[in-house]
Amino acid sequence: DVVLTQSPLSLPVTLGQPASISCRSSQSLVHSGGDTYLHWFQQRPGQSPRRLVHQVSNRDSGVPDRFRGSGSGTDFTLHISRVEAEDVGIYYCMQGTHWPPTFGQGTKVEIK
Amino acid sequence: QVQLQESGPGLVQPSQTLSLSCSVSGGSTSSSSYYWSWIRQPAGKGLEWVGRVYPDGSTNYSPSLKSRLTMSADTSKSQFSLKLTSVTAADTAIYFCTRSELYWGQGILVTVSS
Repeated sequence: DVVLTQSPLSLPVTLGQPASISCRSSQSLVHSGGDTYLHWFQQRPGQSPRRLVHQVSNRDSGVPDRFRGSGSGTDFTLHISRVEAEDVGIYYCMQGTHWPPTFGQGTKVEIK
Repeated sequence: QVQLQESGPGLVQPSQTLSLSCSVSGGSTSSSSYYWSWIRQPAGKGLEWVGRVYPDGSTNYSPSLKSRLTMSADTSKSQFSLKLTSVTAADTAIYFCTRSELYWGQGILVTVSS
């Protein structure tokens, strides 16, 4: 299975400051068809996960534009331009390029 | 707005079969543009992808669960289901149903215990 390694696992941030989460894959996530199926999810405390970004950099509907995904091949990043209190939670990357789909171990974002 | 709701027993005995359903409202369940998946999360841990079913009934299962897993879709009832046989304590988790990992249910806690 493809292993996704997220870093850091814990991310204390100051309100209004930027934050970044890295997701590195054990193999390239470029599909034979040319697309890259790397997605980002947010799970707030006590809630179901919510998809923020699909295929590396496409924000899902209703997701604030302070969230931005980037990367290629095996290295990907979720950027939060200015952290707000509602951003507290655990963030997961997920790959759908190789069978079976796999998730990163999660990064816990908290406010300092 | 697409909404999903999981249902089923919250407690299953070891070696028995775990059966869950997911009811879908607010959207078509017959479109081939989507698939219906199950993802689980042990308490306090990360997410594990379980499997998916397409409206035409075709399925893809996680290799680690494949021998015990059956998923199906009933588009006439806007429902899809999961059956996991020979459960152990390791199958204790919150089970989420999703539509292509974009829309998620609230999750249902299933505990395997005697």
